[in-house]
Amino acid sequence: AQSVTQLGSHVSVSEGALVLLRCNYSSSVPPYLFWYVQYPNQGLQLLLKYTTGATLVKGINGFEAEFKKSETSFHLTKPSAHMSDAAEYFCAVSAIAGGTSYGKLTFGQGTILTVHP
Amino acid sequence: DAGVTQSPTHLIKTRGQQVTLRCSPKSGHDTVSWYQQALGQGPQFIFQYYEEEERQRGNFPDRFSGHQFPNYSSELNVNALLLGDSALYLCASSLVRTGININTEAFFGQGTRLTVV
Repeated sequence: AQSVTQLGSHVSVSEGALVLLRCNYSSSVPPYLFWYVQYPNQGLQLLLKYTTGATLVKGINGFEAEFKKSETSFHLTKPSAHMSDAAEYFCAVSAIAGGTSYGKLTFGQGTILTVHP
Repeated sequence: DAGVTQSPTHLIKTRGQQVTLRCSPKSGHDTVSWYQQALGQGPQFIFQYYEEEERQRGNFPDRFSGHQFPNYSSELNVNALLLGDSALYLCASSLVRTGININTEAFFGQGTRLTVV
């Protein structure tokens, strides 16, 4: 079974400051990890994903995340926050069953990012 | 290329009624998953359809049922609605992959906002 814990339900930063959103996962098999962003009253948009290979993953809008197996973490960062980054962010892990992936996701509770001018 | 489309966008129902939500997957995708997102929560997996069969199911009662059609579109049915069923219902499509180098991601629709009164 998989689970995801996002540390901090709300994060507030100033425009131009570093964004750090924390995600820890639990998985009995090698995980596939994802970060999604959700704007109010909208669906989820994929920011980035880790499957295999390079542990530092770059995504859209200047975000990146690093997979650290020893820490079971997949924290999301952005060097300089922009007002348009204000949204809710979800970390998710994908379940792989018997060598087949159907794309089922287990999500964390989400982190609301507020960006102050 | 149209992404994942869901209908309707908003719906108000009375307790005890039944509701049907619809989803058309992204072109080229063969798997549809449904998620329930209660206010302030992360999406929770309801079930998943592939080859017109339910492949995986989350911790939801039998009041929640679904169907997948030969064109890969899907319906989510909820019977005997409860106030607690009020939520954003998200449909996600993906592609089944097997073997090595599994690399799959889910694309989400905008969701259907269901309000039960």
